[in-house]
Amino acid sequence: EVQLVQSGAEVKKPGESLKISCKGSGYSFTSYWIGWVRQMPGKGLEWMGIIYPGDSDTRYSPSFQGQVTISADKSISTAYLQWSSLKASDTAMYYCVRLIQLGPLGFYDAFDIWGQGTMVTVSS
Amino acid sequence: DIQMTQSPSSLSASVGDRVTITCRASQSISSYLNWYQQKPGKAPKLLIYAASSLQSGVPSRFSGSGSGTDFTLTISSLQPEDFATYYCQQSYSTPRTFGQGTRLEIK
Repeated sequence: EVQLVQSGAEVKKPGESLKISCKGSGYSFTSYWIGWVRQMPGKGLEWMGIIYPGDSDTRYSPSFQGQVTISADKSISTAYLQWSSLKASDTAMYYCVRLIQLGPLGFYDAFDIWGQGTMVTVSS
Repeated sequence: DIQMTQSPSSLSASVGDRVTITCRASQSISSYLNWYQQKPGKAPKLLIYAASSLQSGVPSRFSGSGSGTDFTLTISSLQPEDFATYYCQQSYSTPRTFGQGTRLEIK
């Protein structure tokens, strides 16, 4: 079964650092981009960035560039999302997602596999 | 960034109804448009890609149409399990922005 399994919920204080993980299984981890999507409480979905575990090529949304770091360790099929100094406004559910190429020539892409989500709560 | 705007933001309907949700892009995105369904407390699920192609395993009562800047998601006959929030997403350029969501509620 193709799946992404994320690390558990976190409760942190402002200013603390954090690294959450997403482990892929059931497919070739190095052959698909992995992305991160934020969902603040009661709000919509926000595309944060993606990484290609095969060569660690990474792309960020301008809204998240410099605010988070996306990385991957292909030896253990795991992607990461990290913060160096959390803010209360980082409180959200974070989903990791697999990006798949679709259509006859693979011109289209979409997030076909979603992790279960990691809830991050930042509060003093 | 390309802005995606959905309408309506919320919608009440009954089982068996035909429902249409609209998504508009701030610039032309050809057919690079996906639709997702999210149920409360769950991760989203891909329904449609390339504006009108049904993802494997998705019931045929879901359909998508449109190109350029205007797109629609149609549910031909609402089932109880369809009450959820729906998001469009453009896959034309990075960042792959989402619409704000349309909440479909039971009337």
